[in-house]
Amino acid sequence: AQSVTQLDSQVPVFEEAPVELRCNYSSSVSVYLFWYVQYPNQGLQLLLKYLSGSTLVKGINGFEAEFNKSQTSFHLRKPSVHISDTAEYFCAVSDSNAGKSTFGDGTTLTVKP
Amino acid sequence: NAGVTQTPKFQVLKTGQSMTLQCAQDMNHEYMSWYRQDPGMGLRLIHYSVGAGITDQGEVPNGYNVSRSTTEDFPLRLLSAAPSQTSVYFCASSRGVNEQFFGPGTRLTVL
Repeated sequence: AQSVTQLDSQVPVFEEAPVELRCNYSSSVSVYLFWYVQYPNQGLQLLLKYLSGSTLVKGINGFEAEFNKSQTSFHLRKPSVHISDTAEYFCAVSDSNAGKSTFGDGTTLTVKP
Repeated sequence: NAGVTQTPKFQVLKTGQSMTLQCAQDMNHEYMSWYRQDPGMGLRLIHYSVGAGITDQGEVPNGYNVSRSTTEDFPLRLLSAAPSQTSVYFCASSRGVNEQFFGPGTRLTVL
């Protein structure tokens, strides 16, 4: 069985400050990891993914994440946030096909001016 | 490409009524999934399909049925709606281990 824990339910931050959204996972086999973003009243869209290869993954809108197998983590970072980054962020893990992903409870990122 | 489409966008039901939420994708993805999203609980998998004619239960399947007669369509049926099924429902499709593409969601209220 697999599970995902997003360690912060809400993260307030000022504009242009750096941010880290934390995600830990558990899985008994190889994993595929994803971060999705959800803007109000919309569906989820992919920010970035780790399938294999380099453990530092770059995504859209200046976000990046690092896969750490020993710590079973996949934290999301951005060096300088914008007001438009205000949204809900979900970490997800899959051990086979992405259609059977397990999601974390989400982190609400609020960027203040 | 339209991607993943869902209808209706909003629906209000009375307890005991049945209905079908429609989902279609035009990307020829083999995998399709239904999730429900409730405040503070992330997305929970209801049912998923690995191809036409093949479906399986997810984490919260009770009260829901699915079928997959074509690659494109994956409807979700509520057999007898209950207030506990008030939620936002998302359909998604994917290919292999790659990311899922989500529809815009259906907001369902059961009175």
